[in-house]
Amino acid sequence: AQSVSQHNHHVILSEAASLELGCNYSYGGTVNLFWYVQYPGQHLQLLLKYFSGDPLVKGIKGFEAEFIKSKFSFNLRKPSVQWSDTAEYFCAVNARGSTLGRLYFGRGTQLTVWP
Amino acid sequence: GAGVSQSPRYKVAKRGQDVALRCDPISGHVSLFWYQQALGQGPEFLTYFQNEAQLDKSGLPSDRFFAERPEGSVSTLKIQRTQQEDSAVYLCASSFGSPPTNEKLFFGSGTQLSVL
Repeated sequence: AQSVSQHNHHVILSEAASLELGCNYSYGGTVNLFWYVQYPGQHLQLLLKYFSGDPLVKGIKGFEAEFIKSKFSFNLRKPSVQWSDTAEYFCAVNARGSTLGRLYFGRGTQLTVWP
Repeated sequence: GAGVSQSPRYKVAKRGQDVALRCDPISGHVSLFWYQQALGQGPEFLTYFQNEAQLDKSGLPSDRFFAERPEGSVSTLKIQRTQQEDSAVYLCASSFGSPPTNEKLFFGSGTQLSVL
């Protein structure tokens, strides 16, 4: 079975600080990887995704993530956070070849950015 | 519509009651998914439809959970004889195609179910 670990449950930063949220998964096969974000009062939306190719993936709003296969990791980064980045962030994986929408999510990381 | 619509937004049920949760996907979206999100957890897959066909129901936690999508558009998730452990946010998501590898999921805002 697949599982996803997000070790940081709540991260608090000041504006302009750098961000890195950890995500590790357990699955022996090939995976597709995702980061979803949920802003306060809004629905889940896709931040970025990795299927193949360049392991450094750039998403919306200046976010990026790096797939490190040897570490089973897909950490999310942003060089300089803004107050509007306050949200909950979910890492998710999907086994390559399975139904794409059958995602395994981590428990999420709440990011709070102070102005 | 502009997005995935779910109703009701909140539902309070007494233990033992049956509930029905509705999902209206984006028009033309073939694939529809239901997820359950318990407090403090990430969403967990429940079931998947491709048009009206329920292709995967392996995530449904018990036979009290039933989902349908009879005309390939609106879907209903029904929970019979609700229990306190059913309290969660139920999320619906849809995507345009029968999934190739680059499909994007669009999520609704969810129905928050509280069982007392």
